[in-house]
Amino acid sequence: DSGVTQTPKHLITATGQRVTLRCSPRSGDLSVYWYQQSLDQGLQFLIQYYNGEERAKGNILERFSAQQFPDLHSELNLSSLELGDSALYFCASSVGWTGETQYFGPGTRLLVL
Amino acid sequence: DAKTTQPTSMDCAEGRAANLPCNHSTISGNEYVYWYRQIHSQGPQYIIHGLKNNETNEMASLIITEDRKSSTLILPHATLRDTAVYYCIVRVGLSNFGNEKLTFGTGTRLTIIP
Repeated sequence: DSGVTQTPKHLITATGQRVTLRCSPRSGDLSVYWYQQSLDQGLQFLIQYYNGEERAKGNILERFSAQQFPDLHSELNLSSLELGDSALYFCASSVGWTGETQYFGPGTRLLVL
Repeated sequence: DAKTTQPTSMDCAEGRAANLPCNHSTISGNEYVYWYRQIHSQGPQYIIHGLKNNETNEMASLIITEDRKSSTLILPHATLRDTAVYYCIVRVGLSNFGNEKLTFGTGTRLTIIP
């Protein structure tokens, strides 16, 4: 158990819909990272927040957004969902904002029908 | 971040040492070697990391060549639960510029044979 929690574990929705994925980092960690793992793209970095502020951006679509709240939990919002958004979404956390080891949560499996 | 090359798949007999190689010939002096593994579709699990010295923890050992162009992850007594995809990742350590993301390649699918 990494100490990172993610909810929900599974999510099934329809195209065009909007969903919110939630992540709680390990106690004491200030950074939260979001990654997407699809069958054809592998594990890809989406975005990072550090202590409430966006710190780095990866291959995140404009339909996707994220935020980190004062209690340091983070939410990833996915809107106008398409079939290709079906994937595993992982959250990771680390103590600081650069270079530290990242610890991953169990992931949310999203299926868009 | 430097690119890494790993074999697509490997088998290892249960109870034997599993040695997973990784080539990172373009690694820079300030880049660390990290190893993660992913068991089935679970979240990637951190194993170990190192800069230039060999490292050992309760899970594994990391051997980095003197020129740092390659490394080997060693699982000393492999069990069936070690069956997973193992990722070798090279990234800069602490810096003011930030290299926050982990860049995952395709990894090595290690299968432990009973």
